[in-house]
Amino acid sequence: NAGVTQTPKFQVLKTGQSMTLQCAQDMNHEYMSWYRQDPGMGLRLIHYSVGAGITDQGEVPNGYNVSRSTTEDFPLRLLSAAPSQTSVYFCASSSYQGYTEAFFGQGTRLTVV
Amino acid sequence: EDQVTQSPEALRLQEGESSSLNCSYTVSGLRGLFWYRQDPGKGPEFLFTLYSAGEEKEKERLKATLTKKESFLHITAPKPEDSATYLCAAPSFQGAQKLVFGQGTRLTINP
Repeated sequence: NAGVTQTPKFQVLKTGQSMTLQCAQDMNHEYMSWYRQDPGMGLRLIHYSVGAGITDQGEVPNGYNVSRSTTEDFPLRLLSAAPSQTSVYFCASSSYQGYTEAFFGQGTRLTVV
Repeated sequence: EDQVTQSPEALRLQEGESSSLNCSYTVSGLRGLFWYRQDPGKGPEFLFTLYSAGEEKEKERLKATLTKKESFLHITAPKPEDSATYLCAAPSFQGAQKLVFGQGTRLTINP
């Protein structure tokens, strides 16, 4: 019973590099989202998707891209990493946003140097 | 703007010393209030959902309650393994569909 799986768990990037954070869920949830968690800032929404083929921006979308080709997968792409993107990233899924609880992955700790 | 505020920021208790964590919210048309537990290096883990004022939910030493303006997480006779950061969140439909999180309360239970 995997739930929400994120990879990698840790990553160090150099400024300007790009990478993709992977997220997969096996609960057949329609809604998936990406949050970043920073000290003193709490969890902030980056991008979200209400179903395959549909994505939208959250509070802090700049510098990130997402796509949702399947119900299960929701990768987050960093286009050109910047030190300000150093953070812990969480992927979450829920059966219906706003009415049901979200299930979170274990997180990816990203450091941009 | 929808907001969720938690207090205190940190709380240190002795084992067996009961207390409460507060979550106040200003959310248009509340559609639920969620409590999560987060251990260091882990993702938030769902605890409770409360939907209407007066509702209560219990799980082991934890009990969550909801009023029209705030929610409380009561911890009765806590143990060291209850040490964690506790987050509350409410769904917001202002702009992006999202969960609005509080900053969390970092709870430490000393043996």
